[in-house]
Amino acid sequence: GESVGLHLPTLSVQEGDNSIINCAYSNSASDYFIWYKQESGKGPQFIIDIRSNMDKRQGQRVTVLLNKTVKHLSLQIAATQPGDSAVYFCAENMKNTGFQKLVFGTGTRLLVSP
Amino acid sequence: DAGVIQSPRHEVTEMGQEVTLRCKPISGHDYLFWYRQTMMRGLELLIYFNNNVPIDDSGMPEDRFSAKMPNASFSTLKIQPSEPRDSAVYFCASRPSRTGHRRSEQYFGPGTRLTVT
Repeated sequence: GESVGLHLPTLSVQEGDNSIINCAYSNSASDYFIWYKQESGKGPQFIIDIRSNMDKRQGQRVTVLLNKTVKHLSLQIAATQPGDSAVYFCAENMKNTGFQKLVFGTGTRLLVSP
Repeated sequence: DAGVIQSPRHEVTEMGQEVTLRCKPISGHDYLFWYRQTMMRGLELLIYFNNNVPIDDSGMPEDRFSAKMPNASFSTLKIQPSEPRDSAVYFCASRPSRTGHRRSEQYFGPGTRLTVT
């Protein structure tokens, strides 16, 4: 498989820097907001999610922030590594679909230079 | 665990031909999803199954597309007849329904890249 390619917004960072990837969403009724990572030639991989009643959630080297006032979601990656290079997708999920219907955003390509 | 298995990884076919994509979900996962990824439309859910039963096929684009899940370890997505605009990467994903599992975590296969000429 191949990730969506050529015309994605791109964020270029140096190894060791912190990265911030942003996403604007439209559905105020979404119950969960999620980040997936897609490396070249692979399927998307779950990173972290956040419930709509939370503002912040931390994982290993990643933090997701949710601002419901402006419908904005961000993924912060600390000490970015070359292995973090990938396309990152935000997604939404809703209770009224049984939490089964993920709606994906368009994606941001992260390029990490050594 | 081998993860979600899809075959073939690449398929090139001529317009009008029938195409069958195959998926083996992770053992024990009772939800199975088919997605399509294109540059224009991004990643779209086509259909999903629970315990081998189709639950929501509202994302299937046309009657030319059909999906089946004859048993818990196998699913197919068929396009007949295929058209050039069907060219895309098709992903299969699965997840378990057990309590406590992250609700939004689906396990994706490597995808099948379909090219219809």
